[in-house]
Amino acid sequence: ETGVTQSPTHLIKTRGQQVTLRCSSQSGHNTVSWYQQALGQGPQFIFQYYREEENGRGNFPPRFSGLQFPNYSSELNVNALELDDSALYLCASSLEGGGPQPQHFGDGTRLSIL
Amino acid sequence: GESVGLHLPTLSVQEGDNSIINCAYSNSASDYFIWYKQESGKGPQFIIDIRSNMDKRQGQRVTVLLNKTVKHLSLQIAATQPGDSAVYFCAENQAGTALIFGKGTTLSVSS
Repeated sequence: ETGVTQSPTHLIKTRGQQVTLRCSSQSGHNTVSWYQQALGQGPQFIFQYYREEENGRGNFPPRFSGLQFPNYSSELNVNALELDDSALYLCASSLEGGGPQPQHFGDGTRLSIL
Repeated sequence: GESVGLHLPTLSVQEGDNSIINCAYSNSASDYFIWYKQESGKGPQFIIDIRSNMDKRQGQRVTVLLNKTVKHLSLQIAATQPGDSAVYFCAENQAGTALIFGKGTTLSVSS
């Protein structure tokens, strides 16, 4: 069973740039959620994708957007990067349907904004 | 073993002790709860979960207790090992979308 994989592992950008982060879900999972984890904090929910549609969103501005593809993989796009966007971005996958299921996380992309 | 009644950001134990990590959750409508372990440089790793219709669930060396009356969750680790050293988060889930994470507890195990 292949776990959740994310790319790249590290990324450095400057203010105002745009970034795309990628996630491959665990085999058999159809739902992908994205989280932002600042240093020393717990992960904060950005949004979730199910059946290629956004299925819930946290308190993040519209410059955070996403996509889910037919193979259930996903992208997180962030426009107009700000210094406060520096964080670990985590992707989690799960299987929707049949009751609550745990979300399984990848090891994240460490994004640094200069 | 070491235990805390309220959430503390750090917990230090000796190898072989039992550890208890506590968590208060926020939403009485939450119906599903998960404990995660996060090691340095890694993503959160699933440990154990519990649904709101249960008050206890056991895994291998771990037990989760749920007290819905006071919105409290605890994770008990038996015979704590150095490999258990990590940050532990509880997370609550409502309606199957967002996980809301509690404040983490850093567990340090000395041998």
